[in-house]
Amino acid sequence: DAGVIQSPRHEVTEMGQEVTLRCKPISGHNSLFWYRQTMMRGLELLIYFNNNVPIDDSGMPEDRFSAKMPNASFSTLKIQPSEPRDSAVYFCASSLGGSMTDTQYFGPGTRLTVL
Amino acid sequence: GQNIDQPTEMTATEGAIVQINCTYQTSGFNGLFWYQQHAGEAPTFLSYNVLDGLEEKGRFSSFLSRSKGYSYLLLKELQMKDSASYLCAPTGYGGATNKLIFGTGTLLAVQP
Repeated sequence: DAGVIQSPRHEVTEMGQEVTLRCKPISGHNSLFWYRQTMMRGLELLIYFNNNVPIDDSGMPEDRFSAKMPNASFSTLKIQPSEPRDSAVYFCASSLGGSMTDTQYFGPGTRLTVL
Repeated sequence: GQNIDQPTEMTATEGAIVQINCTYQTSGFNGLFWYQQHAGEAPTFLSYNVLDGLEEKGRFSSFLSRSKGYSYLLLKELQMKDSASYLCAPTGYGGATNKLIFGTGTLLAVQP
């Protein structure tokens, strides 16, 4: 069975450029999460969706970050304009439902480097 | 957030037993997940506790005390492949949502 799919796996860009990260959740999962992981701050939740609707975006750093989920099988996280401090590994995760007992399954991550 | 506290690093010997502790804020708490993350890889699910007590799953066990705001992950018969970061993630804060708050993780090094 396919797990959570993320693309690209690695992204190197220059400061000021737009970056779009993509995620395909596990088929049938209704919740999708975007995380950012750095050495300094650990794994931080940026935003999550239930049934394609954003539920909590309090972790989104600032207006440069935006996320969409146009349908149940696709989500994007966009950074515009990107800055060097955005360099991190970005994980997408999905879970079957919106219950607090549902296990989250993580994708392989996108390693973003902003020069 | 949520006062999650776990040791930054631990070292143990192959074949031994190690216990990784985690404390967290009890107000609003519902249950607690443990995840394992190998270097350069994604976190993977290990366990979920919602009731007090010990849950055993092979070489790994997880314990929860709801009243004390305390959990631990117990790894037995350590193998070199257990060298990884172990993330404690309580849930339930902010209402009936599936939002997880992750601790900073405990980096476990298993030595021969």
